[in-house]
Amino acid sequence: AQSVAQPEDQVNVAEGNPLTVKCTYSVSGNPYLFWYVQYPNRGLQFLLKYITGDNLVKGSYGFEAEFNKSQTSFHLKKPSALVSDSALYFCALVAGFQKLVFGTGTRLLVSP
Amino acid sequence: NAGVTQTPKFRVLKTGQSMTLLCAQDMNHEYMYWYRQDPGMGLRLIHYSVGEGTTAKGEVPDGYNVSRLKKQNFLLGLESAAPSQTSVYFCASSSSTSGDLYEQYFGPGTRLTVT
Repeated sequence: AQSVAQPEDQVNVAEGNPLTVKCTYSVSGNPYLFWYVQYPNRGLQFLLKYITGDNLVKGSYGFEAEFNKSQTSFHLKKPSALVSDSALYFCALVAGFQKLVFGTGTRLLVSP
Repeated sequence: NAGVTQTPKFRVLKTGQSMTLLCAQDMNHEYMYWYRQDPGMGLRLIHYSVGEGTTAKGEVPDGYNVSRLKKQNFLLGLESAAPSQTSVYFCASSSSTSGDLYEQYFGPGTRLTVT
């Protein structure tokens, strides 16, 4: 079965430090991978996606993600965290025609 | 351009009551989805639609029904609400356009409590 795993419920980082939010996937065939962000009391917002091409994908708000096929990972990264980056982050995988499977989410807390 | 809107934002139901959640999108998207979000479980797909007049079951369809009579609207119905349906419900839509393939746009959510 196709699935994504986010092994960390919460990630804590100080403002200005680099951040990484981890995601691993399981799929037969080529993976199509996404990151979404959810701010409090809001719907999910698209950050970035990997369909094909460069393993380093750049997205909104200075985020990027690194696709690693050998490690079946798609970790979200940002060189310098902001307090305003504090939110819930979801990794997702295309699983079937136009359907996404989401991970359980990772809460990012950036302290001043 | 409002994107994806959901009505209502909040609702409290008693066990056994029925209700309909409305989702509307103004992006002319072909595909629409209903998810529920529960703590520690991420988003789970309830039902989806690949076009006007078509619907299909997702991961957790039991207790819900849907209809898509118009391309821009996707309705989620609960015929007899149960406490297990207490959740936050999100609607989403996506396009078949190659540039936006698989990218889903989400509404703000409906918080439903069943007592």
